[in-house]
Amino acid sequence: NAGVTQTPKFRVLKTGQSMTLLCAQDMNHEYMYWYRQDPGMGLRLIHYSVGEGTTAKGEVPDGYNVSRLKKQNFLLGLESAAPSQTSVYFCASSTSGTSSYEQYFGPGTRLTVT
Amino acid sequence: DQQVKQNSPSLSVQEGRISILNCDYTNSMFDYFLWYKKYPAEGPTFLISISSIKDKNEDGRFTVFLNKSAKHLSLHIVPSQPGDSAVYFCAAENYGGSQGNLIFGKGTKLSVKP
Repeated sequence: NAGVTQTPKFRVLKTGQSMTLLCAQDMNHEYMYWYRQDPGMGLRLIHYSVGEGTTAKGEVPDGYNVSRLKKQNFLLGLESAAPSQTSVYFCASSTSGTSSYEQYFGPGTRLTVT
Repeated sequence: DQQVKQNSPSLSVQEGRISILNCDYTNSMFDYFLWYKKYPAEGPTFLISISSIKDKNEDGRFTVFLNKSAKHLSLHIVPSQPGDSAVYFCAAENYGGSQGNLIFGKGTKLSVKP
């Protein structure tokens, strides 16, 4: 099992460009999440999904959109990138929304916006 | 306002000794607490958790203590090993709030010296 994978691993964008980050999990998890981690900060939830076809806003959703067309995939989109979106992005998945079921994280995508 | 605080950015411990990582929280509605470990260039991995109805949970070398009256939890690692060197994140969840929404602290970087 690959677990949670993220594509790409690194990306440099110019201000105003758009891109999509792909997260895939092969554990048949219902819940999927997108976090960002900035230097010296903890992880902050951007958006999450409780099942195929559903999405919901987290703590810091502005400037991002998400889609969950397939159960195993969760896409994070930046329509018009800004330098403030320079960060490391982590995707995670879990069998349930309660923390009694741990979240499994991907390796991260390092995004730089110039 | 930070709801989960890890006030020590770093901790250095000798191999074989005890490592104690601390975490404070402000939201009395949190009902589940977790510790994640993160190595460089990898995603966080789940380490240990504790429900708010307990005051201690042990798993091998790792023990988490919860003091609800003080809104404080700590992670004890005994004995510490060089492979434990990583960043440790404390996280908390209010299941009555957004499903699966974990609030992370900023992390503590543990260095275990041989």
